[in-house]
Amino acid sequence: AQKITQTQPGMFVQEKEAVTLDCTYDTSDPSYGLFWYKQPSSGEMIFLIYQGSYDQQNATEGRYSLNFQKARKSANLVISASQLGDSAMYFCAMREGRADKLIFGTGTRLQVFP
Amino acid sequence: DAMVIQNPRYQVTQFGKPVTLSCSQTLNHNVMYWYQQKSSQAPKLLFHYYDKDFNNEADTPDNFQSRRPNTSFCFLDIRSPGLGDAAMYLCATRREREGNEQFFGPGTRLTVL
Repeated sequence: AQKITQTQPGMFVQEKEAVTLDCTYDTSDPSYGLFWYKQPSSGEMIFLIYQGSYDQQNATEGRYSLNFQKARKSANLVISASQLGDSAMYFCAMREGRADKLIFGTGTRLQVFP
Repeated sequence: DAMVIQNPRYQVTQFGKPVTLSCSQTLNHNVMYWYQQKSSQAPKLLFHYYDKDFNNEADTPDNFQSRRPNTSFCFLDIRSPGLGDAAMYLCATRREREGNEQFFGPGTRLTVL
């Protein structure tokens, strides 16, 4: 069965600094996709970035980049130049099956302080 | 703007009183999902529709049912809510073979008294 592990319940970072949120995964499927979502206190899930298992390069989206290490089965999210508005819950997820349902990790709560 | 809309945003019901949550989308996506997210936990898939085909997760309680009358709308029915069903319910959509992202609605926060 597929599994996503996020070992950091909470992280603190100072504004304008970079922060890395850890994610490891387990799957026997050679084709898979990994996602990061942001969930502010209001509750909506906001898509940040996607990495496919066959993608040769690490995904980047603005201040977000995904450090994909396939052999280690890790897909860490790097947020550069943190902003106060980045304070939120961050979930790593993997798609599964034909319908691409998402299996989520337990999340990391990021707090950015001035 | 094309989007995923959930109504109501907040729902209060009494123990055992049926409740229906709604989700609509203007994205013309063929796949729709319902996730349950309890406090301080990760979202967990309840079921999904692949076009008109309904797919229930093995551990979704019988108390939860769903309807999808057309492409745009999907409903989550909780027949007899218990205190343990208090959660955020998230609807998401995706179009097959068109990107990888699931588009989430803002969620409905359900309180059971």
